[in-house]
Amino acid sequence: QLQLQESGPGLVKPSETLSLTCIVSGGSISSRSYYWGWVRQPPGKGLEWIGSLYYSGSTYYNPSLKSRVTISVDTSKTQFSLKLSSVTAADTAVYYCAGYSEINSHPTVIDYWGQGTLVTVSS
Amino acid sequence: QLVLTQSPSASASLGASVKLTCTLSSGHSSYAIAWHQQQPEKGPRYLMKLNGDGSHSKGDGIPDRFSGSSSGAERYLTISSLQSEDEADYYCQTWGTGIVVFGGGTKLTVL
Repeated sequence: QLQLQESGPGLVKPSETLSLTCIVSGGSISSRSYYWGWVRQPPGKGLEWIGSLYYSGSTYYNPSLKSRVTISVDTSKTQFSLKLSSVTAADTAVYYCAGYSEINSHPTVIDYWGQGTLVTVSS
Repeated sequence: QLVLTQSPSASASLGASVKLTCTLSSGHSSYAIAWHQQQPEKGPRYLMKLNGDGSHSKGDGIPDRFSGSSSGAERYLTISSLQSEDEADYYCQTWGTGIVVFGGGTKLTVL
């Protein structure tokens, strides 16, 4: 059973870069069956897809965030990371890492969720 | 544009059944979706994948009380024998070429 666990700073200053890491256990991050990625949820609001990547490095990003987002994988450490640059208060949210089933070289169903980590953007 | 539409709220009595709806945007009526449950103060949990023909596959440990069905562009989640712990937000999720989309969520209140 795959398990995902987020880690990273809970407070980021405006204009700086938010950085989070997700450790994958109970399975291989190099599995051809999964994409890995991030979803966020602002306080009191719904879920927003940030982006997804394959173990090979292939990535897909939400068009509304694409200019500020980088998702990368470190297969040697069985972890993947999120970097979101030039953050503002609007980026305050709970950030979830997720595992997506791969079908036809695209991310599809989110089968696995991390427990989430709250990141607050404030000076 | 690939969009999922959900009613913001629903309610039903303890022990009764409720049917939640997720509607796919025009031109996407054949798409499969997934249903996720988010209990208060918790992270989301995957419930099931639901295909356009109504066939579905549930996640590990999901009770038989949860089932899915489809009709045209609408995808349904039916919860029978409602329990207090079913009070939660329910999100539908779908995917296209290099994109993942969520519905706005339905808040289910168990009376």
